Amino acid sequence: AQTVTQSQPEMSVQEAETVTLSCTYDTSESDYYLFWYKQPPSRQMILVIRQEAYKQQNATENRFSVNFQKAAKSFSLKISDSQLGDAAMYFCAQGQFQGAQKLVFGQGTRLTINP
Amino acid sequence: NAGVTQTPKFQVLKTGQSMTLQCAQDMNHEYMSWYRQDPGMGLRLIHYSVGAGITDQGEVPNGYNVSRSTTEDFPLRLLSAAPSQTSVYFCASRSSGTGNTEAFFGQGTRLTVV
Repeated sequence: AQTVTQSQPEMSVQEAETVTLSCTYDTSESDYYLFWYKQPPSRQMILVIRQEAYKQQNATENRFSVNFQKAAKSFSLKISDSQLGDAAMYFCAQGQFQGAQKLVFGQGTRLTINP
Repeated sequence: NAGVTQTPKFQVLKTGQSMTLQCAQDMNHEYMSWYRQDPGMGLRLIHYSVGAGITDQGEVPNGYNVSRSTTEDFPLRLLSAAPSQTSVYFCASRSSGTGNTEAFFGQGTRLTVV
């Protein structure tokens, strides 16, 4: 069975600083996708960044980047220059490469930004 | 662009009552799914569909029914609500096209069963 684990229930960071959220996963599949979703108080699920497992290059989206270690099954999210609007729950998720892409989510990390 | 629309946004049910959570998408996506979100557990897959007339169970299907008669709609039915079904429910859809990996989520339904 696929599992995704986020070991940090809560994290906090000073505004403008850098923070890294951890995620580990387990799967028997060789091809899959990994995602980080942001959930602000509005409850809306917002895709932050995605990574294809077959790509060695780490994905980046503006201030957000990932450190993907396939052998270690690790997928951490780095947020640079943290902003007050980054405060939210962050979920790591894994999905199938093909088919319905049933997503398996981690438990979430609540990120607080201190002004 | 409406995207994925869920109704209602909030609902309180009494134990034993039945209800249907509605989900509609206007993006002509083949894949649709229902998840529930509980504190400390992330989102878990209840049921999913790969097209009209085709549904399958996810990780936590007990107590829920689904059907998919059209591409646009994917309702989730609670046959006899229980307090354990108190949760936030999310509907999601995704295109089956190659390279289309992003799942679009509705805004969620907060359900309380008393």
